[in-house]
Amino acid sequence: AIRMTQSPSSFSASTGDRVTITCRASQGISSYFAWYQQKPGKAPKLLIYGASTLQSGVPSRFSGSGSGTDFTLTISCLQSEDFATYYCQQYSGYPYTFGQGTKLEIK
Amino acid sequence: QVQLQESGPGLVKPSETLSLTCTVSGGSISSYYWSWIRQPPGKGLEWIGYVYNSGSTNYNPSLKSRVTISGDTSKNQFSLKLTSVTAADTAVYYCARGPPGTPGRFDPWGQGTLVTVSS
Repeated sequence: AIRMTQSPSSFSASTGDRVTITCRASQGISSYFAWYQQKPGKAPKLLIYGASTLQSGVPSRFSGSGSGTDFTLTISCLQSEDFATYYCQQYSGYPYTFGQGTKLEIK
Repeated sequence: QVQLQESGPGLVKPSETLSLTCTVSGGSISSYYWSWIRQPPGKGLEWIGYVYNSGSTNYNPSLKSRVTISGDTSKNQFSLKLTSVTAADTAVYYCARGPPGTPGRFDPWGQGTLVTVSS
């Protein structure tokens, strides 16, 4: 199985900050890659797919980049509603696999 | 707007079979991929498998010997059966849709249902 490794596992930031989360795949996955946001007690929500395509309805402060094995999620100006856990996921090969999550907390 | 809703027992005894159903409203289950994904309490996400067009399936090898996913177009539902459960199968179980061509791109998701394995 393709292993997805996120960094950091958690960190603190303030409203208005620019933050970046990274994800590395254990082998090349082209752009078959997605980011999800999960808030406590809720289902994950698709933010970005195809590594850089913003899902409909997702604010433009979210952006994604990367291809192959290294990917990033950037939030340009943190809002209070962005404090959550973020997961990366590959859908290049079976089984589909997720990163371990990055918990973004308020500083 | 498509909505998904999981249903089934919240408590299952060890060695028994976990059975869940996902009811899809606002759209047909035909021509899409329908997945089950689970999340143990406080942990990450694990893809279980999918069904396509109520027939074709693909399962995570880690669970393949115990999993069956099936679809019922007449009821617009799909189901998960997981046999011989243990405490390690305690998790929130989500159903999710994947579009044609990219079955692993999950959107939308159901709200999830917690299944606890305990005697």
